[in-house]
Amino acid sequence: EAQVTQNPRYLITVTGKKLTVTCSQNMNHEYMSWYRQDPGLGLRQIYYSMNVEVTDKGDVPEGYKVSRKEKRNFPLILESPSPNQTSLYFCASSLTGAIGSPLHFGNGTRLTVT
Amino acid sequence: SQQGEEDPQALSIQEGENATMNCSYKTSINNLQWYRQNSGRGLVHLILIRSNEREKHSGRLRVTLDTSKKSSSLLITASRAADTASYFCATVVYWKSGNTPLVFGKGTRLSVIA
Repeated sequence: EAQVTQNPRYLITVTGKKLTVTCSQNMNHEYMSWYRQDPGLGLRQIYYSMNVEVTDKGDVPEGYKVSRKEKRNFPLILESPSPNQTSLYFCASSLTGAIGSPLHFGNGTRLTVT
Repeated sequence: SQQGEEDPQALSIQEGENATMNCSYKTSINNLQWYRQNSGRGLVHLILIRSNEREKHSGRLRVTLDTSKKSSSLLITASRAADTASYFCATVVYWKSGNTPLVFGKGTRLSVIA
């Protein structure tokens, strides 16, 4: 089944403890992206990747890192999480980075930083 | 960088009725997309309408686009309880370093009562 898989689904951590949220897609998509969703703010893009070894900042990149060593994987790294990073995170992919190419979303990771 | 704004914020209807949601945006677009999000889950792409199209159908969904008014509407006919979800419009705001960030509105919460 074609899908974007994120893990973990839920994560509770403490301030400053490094964490990684994994994202994997099995559709051979070139484009991958991370979003965070917060009440009243909608979805905002954190980072994106047009292809392997090509990543760039979205609207809200501060406090996050990403890497794209393989086409299928696009992990999101929080080196020193803070409470303002408590949010619902989504990984998404699309076949290409062409304008407006429809996105396929994972089921989300709900992160709580205390 | 909010681009699309959905209206209304929330909508409650009886099963079998039609549901109409509107989206207004600010800048010129290449295309506009609608997504559905079931509670706490990932977004699912519903339909894409290009700037040179005025209307598009997909099953019980009908999308219209009026570029002169910078607005779009999503009509769900003969609604079902399973249509209960949040609906988002998304547009490409700008082209930056090859990125095509889909910018999402804050969504319309649709409740279909059986």
